[in-house]
Amino acid sequence: QKEVEQDPGPLSVPEGAIVSLNCTYSNSAFQYFMWYRQYSRKGPELLMYTYSSGNKEDGRFTAQVDKSSKYISLFIRDSQPSDSATYLCAMSANDYKLSFGAGTTVTVRA
Amino acid sequence: SAVISQKPSRDICQRGTSLTIQCQVDSQVTMMFWYRQQPGQSLTLIATANQGSEATYESGFVIDKFPISRPNLTFSTLTVSNMSPEDSSIYLCSERTGGTEQFFGPGTRLTVL
Repeated sequence: QKEVEQDPGPLSVPEGAIVSLNCTYSNSAFQYFMWYRQYSRKGPELLMYTYSSGNKEDGRFTAQVDKSSKYISLFIRDSQPSDSATYLCAMSANDYKLSFGAGTTVTVRA
Repeated sequence: SAVISQKPSRDICQRGTSLTIQCQVDSQVTMMFWYRQQPGQSLTLIATANQGSEATYESGFVIDKFPISRPNLTFSTLTVSNMSPEDSSIYLCSERTGGTEQFFGPGTRLTVL
């Protein structure tokens, strides 16, 4: 069993729809949770960073963490074609080592 | 976050040769890391590049295969030695200063024939 599970998709939605992405994990020591966006042939770009459980909102992006269920989510509202990318979840315990999901490829159709 | 650049951005190499990848950060950073991203797979940490001392390698990665240098707080290199087609991957460096967040460079896309 992988430490972090993420459905690779692909996920295709029409412009303006809500994109819902999620990851599950097995290590209860994880406390720091991140979402990265990676465009084709580019490095991962940090989108959202949350500590412990709860919600965090930044513009059209909302990150949710449910530690009791070992489940994290990212929602993208009013999706745009420019949101088409691969989204990677990542998480860490109280040290530097990040464990990544496999990434979900998202296409937003104009 | 600091601006990170990598050289080369891509390369095609022959089996048995070695390639050194450079990572330059535009400001001093506390920690630098090297990751591998194989096709269709998640990022895997290779090692932590320690300034002025030997790198700390993760399980499954060894210094003979992936020697790393970090001569100062803004620069690091990763060498992929004695390459085989299985080493074809994207190699990424990242930095962390202060918090747990890590910021990544653009990556080096390596193809081994």
